[in-house]
Amino acid sequence: SQQGEEDPQALSIQEGENATMNCSYKTSINNLQWYRQNSGRGLVHLILIRSNEREKHSGRLRVTLDTSKKSSSLLITASRAADTASYFCATDGAGKSTFGDGTTLTVKP
Amino acid sequence: EAGVAQSPRYKIIEKRQSVAFWCNPISGHATLYWYQQILGQGPKLLIQFQNNGVVDDSQLPKDRFSAERLKGVDSTLKIQPAKLEDSAVYLCASSRADTSYEQYFGPGTRLTVT
Repeated sequence: SQQGEEDPQALSIQEGENATMNCSYKTSINNLQWYRQNSGRGLVHLILIRSNEREKHSGRLRVTLDTSKKSSSLLITASRAADTASYFCATDGAGKSTFGDGTTLTVKP
Repeated sequence: EAGVAQSPRYKIIEKRQSVAFWCNPISGHATLYWYQQILGQGPKLLIQFQNNGVVDDSQLPKDRFSAERLKGVDSTLKIQPAKLEDSAVYLCASSRADTSYEQYFGPGTRLTVT
């Protein structure tokens, strides 16, 4: 079974709006990573947050991690049509990387 | 630096046939992963190598799937015989060391079993 579960499954917003997607997991982790996948392409790494960190930023991306709630969120600010993709969280626990089923984000121009 | 290379990009075979996928990771990356991604789902880890050794193959259907990583560099994943449910994208990824580092993914091989 998958360790990470993303919510919502699908999200549709207008260009310029913010997009928030969440990831919940069940067991303790060493780190959590977010990846993006454009249709028909491989995954691209976005950001890694370690278990002792609470928040990280990278450009228009903001990731938070709450280990007490076993959850993480990815915020994309000022979204663009090019942000349309599937977003996956991957949890690293005991040296094993496990992906969720992703959130499909559609940004309408 | 060059990315992760995979071939072929597409493959169509009939059930019960065999197929092999090839992956060349980023130079110097110790860890190599093979994932299976079924349409609409996230990648599922099939096997993880660290250098020549297998770290995790708990989700590899060993009755039909096999993988090897010779000399700790290139890797091949084989399916023999293929089943209809093996239709998926097979992704190869590599990382500098272990899962505490980001993974770099190849473009994948889309397999269709008819």
